[in-house]
Amino acid sequence: ETGVTQSPTHLIKTRGQQVTLRCSSQSGHNTVSWYQQALGQGPQFIFQYYREEENGRGNFPPRFSGLQFPNYSSELNVNALELDDSALYLCASSPGLALGRPHIQYFGAGTRLSVL
Amino acid sequence: AQSVTQLDSQVPVFEEAPVELRCNYSSSVSVYLFWYVQYPNQGLQLLLKYLSGSTLVKGINGFEAEFNKSQTSFHLRKPSVHISDTAEYFCAALIKAAGNKLTFGGGTRVLVKP
Repeated sequence: ETGVTQSPTHLIKTRGQQVTLRCSSQSGHNTVSWYQQALGQGPQFIFQYYREEENGRGNFPPRFSGLQFPNYSSELNVNALELDDSALYLCASSPGLALGRPHIQYFGAGTRLSVL
Repeated sequence: AQSVTQLDSQVPVFEEAPVELRCNYSSSVSVYLFWYVQYPNQGLQLLLKYLSGSTLVKGINGFEAEFNKSQTSFHLRKPSVHISDTAEYFCAALIKAAGNKLTFGGGTRVLVKP
């Protein structure tokens, strides 16, 4: 149990729709990262938020966007869904520098998104 | 650019036999290295990590890994597997000076047979 919770667990959308996925970080963690895991592949880094600011982005188009809130919970928004967006979306939180272990990421169970 | 390669996509192994999962990384700068396990329909659980110090690191569930800088490898081993070790295993690297972005390998599926 990592203390990172994601919702919903499963979601079905149709092509062209928009989706919002949510993540609640582990207590005391001020950094959240989002990853996309396509079937049979390793996770791919989407972006990271640190203290409500985007702090790094992977090779994903602008229709993938995010937010981090003052309580460090986070959202991943995807606009204009495409069939290839079908994947498991993983959220990971990390402790801040003050806790001395900023590079350890703790993952949630993920949201499985199916785009039809 | 950093990349992580897991040389075996699937590894079948009998119960109580040893297993080794191979991982190589490419990076011109210092990295942290990790192994994660993913059970069916679940997220990723950290098995072990190499941050610095001793090149042999021990993790949970009897797993260990050895960091070899000259061969840019970080192979995972367990001397005796159980049925419950059936899962997908991911090697990941993080460049020390580039924030918290993890680069993952493609994964190795371990199937433990009775």
